[in-house]
Amino acid sequence: GAGVSQTPSNKVTEKGKYVELRCDPISGHTALYWYRQSLGQGPEFLIYFQGTGAADDSGLPNDRFFAVRPEGSVSTLKIQRTERGDSAVYLCASSGGAGELFFGEGSRLTVL
Amino acid sequence: AQSVTQPDIHITVSEGASLELRCNYSYGATPYLFWYVQSPGQGLQLLLKYFSGDTLVQGIKGFEAEFKRSQSSFNLRKPSVHWSDAAEYFCAVGPGGNDYKLSFGAGTTVTVRA
Repeated sequence: GAGVSQTPSNKVTEKGKYVELRCDPISGHTALYWYRQSLGQGPEFLIYFQGTGAADDSGLPNDRFFAVRPEGSVSTLKIQRTERGDSAVYLCASSGGAGELFFGEGSRLTVL
Repeated sequence: AQSVTQPDIHITVSEGASLELRCNYSYGATPYLFWYVQSPGQGLQLLLKYFSGDTLVQGIKGFEAEFKRSQSSFNLRKPSVHWSDAAEYFCAVGPGGNDYKLSFGAGTTVTVRA
């Protein structure tokens, strides 16, 4: 597609439920990033993929968070046993290595 | 560790007036610096970036930023703001190359009054 696409744009779930957030990067971009933006804060790095492998997952807050990118294109961020503190906007970005990150519009997660 | 401070949470400016947004960074090596803008309901859009060379960087939408190593600053400026510049602005620092593990500041919200 023309830009980074994220689905769903909004997700409301109950505490303890499992959530999946999807990111479809710009075609041909090998690098894919996930960030989390809490209210009133700047984005915080979660995980970075180069191709299919996670090159750096040091930003994942705990083992309830996991992300995959099985074919080197679409990525899914998975959150188990959601907590109210997980409520945030989850941003995906991709790069083709030309000095710019292209961000999607984000998935807003609300945990009740 | 890398970090970014944006001292101003909110700035109000009149249309046509000049705008300056402050950014201070902490980084152990030569920083790669970025300014992004986020309009309501929109994704982050890159305004400009500094990697090396000329310390005055021109970006899109009439914005520019100046890298000052001695002050660890990368302030964003626009000579004359338009109502469409109302948005949230984020400064970010990263290791460079093809690594975009960026650290963002908390952002500055800009309100433009007629």
